[in-house]
Amino acid sequence: SAVISQKPSRDICQRGTSLTIQCQVDSQVTMMFWYRQQPGQSLTLIATANQGSEATYESGFVIDKFPISRPNLTFSTLTVSNMSPEDSSIYLCSVGGATDTQYFGPGTRLTVL
Amino acid sequence: AQTVTQSQPEMSVQEAETVTLSCTYDTSENNYYLFWYKQPPSRQMILVIRQEAYKQQNATENRFSVNFQKAAKSFSLKISDSQLGDTAMYFCAFMKPYSSNTGKLIFGQGTTLQVKP
Repeated sequence: SAVISQKPSRDICQRGTSLTIQCQVDSQVTMMFWYRQQPGQSLTLIATANQGSEATYESGFVIDKFPISRPNLTFSTLTVSNMSPEDSSIYLCSVGGATDTQYFGPGTRLTVL
Repeated sequence: AQTVTQSQPEMSVQEAETVTLSCTYDTSENNYYLFWYKQPPSRQMILVIRQEAYKQQNATENRFSVNFQKAAKSFSLKISDSQLGDTAMYFCAFMKPYSSNTGKLIFGQGTTLQVKP
């Protein structure tokens, strides 16, 4: 499976600011996804990051709040905009390729004060 | 819409013993995948095992095996010879094939497993 890294691994941010999370894969992948895991909860898909086009967002998530970029087949970013304490979560990217299986990055733990 | 249910919030097992984690799901699809992921305190999501719905044979990976009952929409995970390193949150997940123009993993609520020495 691909080696996936995320930056930063954790951050503490102030209310009203924005944070950009990077996801880097060591090989080209077809599918990239962003998930959110709120404290003590399961994972929820935010969006599918599409290479060369706008991301596909799930119900309840909007581009203005969670803009996503995917400039190539190995890299994507997720920005959490105008943060509030409710955005405190673990954010995970995942990748999928020829097989219908997803592998996850190590996650970014975000705390908003 | 698909749903995944894990009815056991917490479980514990003695080291070297066997434990079974339950998962049920609801779907009208015929072709899909089921997964078990493990999330230790490090928060890394680790794939444990994968099952294709079209395969009748239950998947196995070393000490991990599943009991896949398609008609009953049940997908349990058996961990044999439990080890301290198996202590983690376990998530059951459902996914339609990428060819269906979605790669969305739908997760259950999770089961916290504690392996005791």
